[in-house]
Amino acid sequence: DIQMTQSPSSLSASVGDRVTITCRASQGSGNLLNWYQQKPGRAPKHLMSGASNLQSGVPSRFSGSGSGTEFTLTISSLQPEDFATYYCLQYHSYPRTFGQGTKVEIK
Amino acid sequence: EVQLVESGGGLVQPGGSLRLSCTASGFSFSNSWMDWVRQAPGKGLEWVANISPDATEKYFVGSVKGRFTISRDNAKNSLYLQMDNLRVEDTAMYYCSWSLVHWGQGTLVTVSP
Repeated sequence: DIQMTQSPSSLSASVGDRVTITCRASQGSGNLLNWYQQKPGRAPKHLMSGASNLQSGVPSRFSGSGSGTEFTLTISSLQPEDFATYYCLQYHSYPRTFGQGTKVEIK
Repeated sequence: EVQLVESGGGLVQPGGSLRLSCTASGFSFSNSWMDWVRQAPGKGLEWVANISPDATEKYFVGSVKGRFTISRDNAKNSLYLQMDNLRVEDTAMYYCSWSLVHWGQGTLVTVSP
């Protein structure tokens, strides 16, 4: 199984900050990686596929990069509605595997 | 508008069974891969299983192999997860997903003595 390791597990940031979350795969995953945002009590929201392809309707302050074993999600200017938990998911092989999540909290 | 509505969750004793359903609308269900993903209380997301459009391919996470079965009825735009020999650690919110992009709101499964 491909293990996905996210870092950090949590972070505190202020509105307007630039935030970067990293996801590392234990084996090469090509660019077959999704990012999700989840707020308490809600289903995950898909942000992007293919490591960097933004889902329609997702603000452009979100961007993704990487391939192989290292991927990043960047929020260029954190907004109040962005405080949430973020997950990566590899869909290169079975079983699909998620990172453990990164909780973005208000500083 | 894409809609995915899960049902069938509830409280069950260890060793028991439950069948989850997901009714889909707003997209071509019969041409779509469908997934189940779960989330234990206060924990992260775990992919459980998926099924190809014609149901000839099915994949599972190791912890549920031999206990869970995934199926679909394309005439009814419905996806199912039959869960047998349930364990306490199967307690989670179970989400139905279209290609891991669109998600339902989930149905809660609690396995407790």
